[in-house]
Amino acid sequence: GENVEQHPSTLSVQEGDSAVIKCTYSDSASNYFPWYKQELGKRPQLIIDIRSNVGEKKDQRIAVTLNKTAKHFSLHITETQPEDSAVYFCAASRGNSGYALNFGKGTSLLVTP
Amino acid sequence: NAGVMQNPRHLVRRRGQEARLRCSPMKGHSHVYWYRQLPEEGLKFMVYLQKENIIDESGMPKERFSAEFPKEGPSILRIQQVVRGDSAAYFCASSATSGYYNEQFFGPGTRLTVL
Repeated sequence: GENVEQHPSTLSVQEGDSAVIKCTYSDSASNYFPWYKQELGKRPQLIIDIRSNVGEKKDQRIAVTLNKTAKHFSLHITETQPEDSAVYFCAASRGNSGYALNFGKGTSLLVTP
Repeated sequence: NAGVMQNPRHLVRRRGQEARLRCSPMKGHSHVYWYRQLPEEGLKFMVYLQKENIIDESGMPKERFSAEFPKEGPSILRIQQVVRGDSAAYFCASSATSGYYNEQFFGPGTRLTVL
């Protein structure tokens, strides 16, 4: 099947520290890997994405790495701030269907001042 | 350019009734995806549609669930004879294309409660 595993399920860090969330996927046809942030009661919002022809991508305090051989990808948030607190979802494209997404179960990140 | 619109935002149904959820994609988007989110869980893919076509419905239960995206009007996810286990948030997303540039933008969701 097409599974995306995400760890950890909860993560608590102090403001200013880094946070790392890791995901693995099983669909070898996946070639698009977005990360979404969802605040309580709100819609998921795309924060960064990476495509399979790239190993790393960075956008200010957020970076994503991809290892296609090992089928895993990670989200790195540096200099965390309280407003980074939310649930973060990784996803991998369903390669055979025109790129609908399989999502991980989410990581609840809490950044304490 | 309005974002993805969904209505209603909240829907309450009694067991056995029908639920009809609507999704209007962003302007210029012809690809629509429906996902279901159970409390404290991730989003589960249900169905992917283009105008007048169902591309992938492998995530949608075979019984009671159906989806359409007509040439004119919003995409509709229909749940017949709802049961308590159908209570969830249903999100739709839209994208301009499939393939390489396929960023999906999500709507605000419809929260379905089955009494």
